Amino acid sequence: NAGVTQTPKFQVLKTGQSMTLQCAQDMNHEYMSWYRQDPGMGLRLIHYSVGAGITDQGEVPNGYNVSRSTTEDFPLRLLSAAPSQTSVYFCASSAGLAGITDTQYFGPGTRLTVL
Amino acid sequence: GNSVTQMEGPVTLSEEAFLTINCTYTATGYPSLFWYVQYPGEGLQLLLKATKADDKGSNKGFEATYRKETTSFHLEKGSVQVSDSAVYFCALRGGAGNNRKLIWGLGTSLAVNP
Repeated sequence: NAGVTQTPKFQVLKTGQSMTLQCAQDMNHEYMSWYRQDPGMGLRLIHYSVGAGITDQGEVPNGYNVSRSTTEDFPLRLLSAAPSQTSVYFCASSAGLAGITDTQYFGPGTRLTVL
Repeated sequence: GNSVTQMEGPVTLSEEAFLTINCTYTATGYPSLFWYVQYPGEGLQLLLKATKADDKGSNKGFEATYRKETTSFHLEKGSVQVSDSAVYFCALRGGAGNNRKLIWGLGTSLAVNP
């Protein structure tokens, strides 16, 4: 199993550009999520999904869209990039539906810089 | 709401030193508690977890005990190695509704010198 994969590893955008961060998992996990990691702020949840066709907002959803057309894929779209979106983005999945004991499996991250 | 507080870093130790990273929490009900580790340039991975009071999670020489009376889940290792250099995150997940969100500490950076 490859686990959770993310592409690209690094990306530089100009303000106003759009792009999609890709995330895929091959563990047949129902629950997938996107986090951003910023110095001094820890991990913050952007969006999550409890299965194909179902998505919901996390704590910092503004400026991001997601969709979940298959169990495996959960892309994150930046609609119009802003410097405040400079961050490291992690995709994660878990077998359960955010169950109390569930382990999260993380991808290696995408480091995004917006100029 | 639920929250997690962990000690600020960075923590710098010599090889074979004893490690403690403090983590305390506030939560209603009976949450599960986790420690995740992030090695340089990688994503987070589960280090250990405990799902009820007095449980001890352990892995790779690390231990943490879920202490409800002190609302703590401190991470310990008796003898650290250079390869333990990483960022360690304490996390909590509660039992119902919005409390099922995974709540993260801010992370503690550990550097181990040879």
